[in-house]
Amino acid sequence: DTGVSQNPRHKITKRGQNVTFRCDPISEHNRLYWYRQTLGQGPEFLTYFQNEAQLEKSRLLSDRFSAERPKGSFSTLEIQRTEQGDSAMYLCASSSTGWDQPQHFGDGTRLSIL
Amino acid sequence: AQSVTQLGSHVSVSEGALVLLRCNYSSSVPPYLFWYVQYPNQGLQLLLKYTSAATLVKGINGFEAEFKKSETSFHLTKPSAHMSDAAEYFCAVTPRGNNNDMRFGAGTRLTVKP
Repeated sequence: DTGVSQNPRHKITKRGQNVTFRCDPISEHNRLYWYRQTLGQGPEFLTYFQNEAQLEKSRLLSDRFSAERPKGSFSTLEIQRTEQGDSAMYLCASSSTGWDQPQHFGDGTRLSIL
Repeated sequence: AQSVTQLGSHVSVSEGALVLLRCNYSSSVPPYLFWYVQYPNQGLQLLLKYTSAATLVKGINGFEAEFKKSETSFHLTKPSAHMSDAAEYFCAVTPRGNNNDMRFGAGTRLTVKP
């Protein structure tokens, strides 16, 4: 169990640019989640995959956001035409099947928009 | 819909003193409850979880929490604080049968004074 891995750890970009983050979940976990966390707040749910299927998306996930998990393993989160308000920590978590199974989190990608 | 409220955004204790971090939940169905800890620039680490077995749950690092249905509470305690306990603590809730719908509290920052 190597844990959930996220890359990059930090991303600084100019407003209007596109960014992509990657998450590698724990290998035997079939569920994968993306969250956004702003300063002084708890994580807010963005989207959820079971294997390669994206089963739920939050209203927080605007049209500029897209997430994929093409082979049911790693996932990417892309933000197009970034805005100042997108500055946040983006957290990925994974869990195994079973409704009492906890989510295991990566260290996150901190996005700063100049 | 379910939610959690963490009472006190900041808690300060002396090293060796009792730690008590408060969490109250609201859920229309029986919940699962979790406590996570977050150190600076890191993701969330699971401390403990309540999934309808024993109401007193023991976790890592000497922490424990008690599920009290009558008080809709799941407070986190530790008998003796260590300097290394200084971090942000998050309470989270999911409805039974739907662990992808996890809602977090706003967090409590614990400071430990020498």
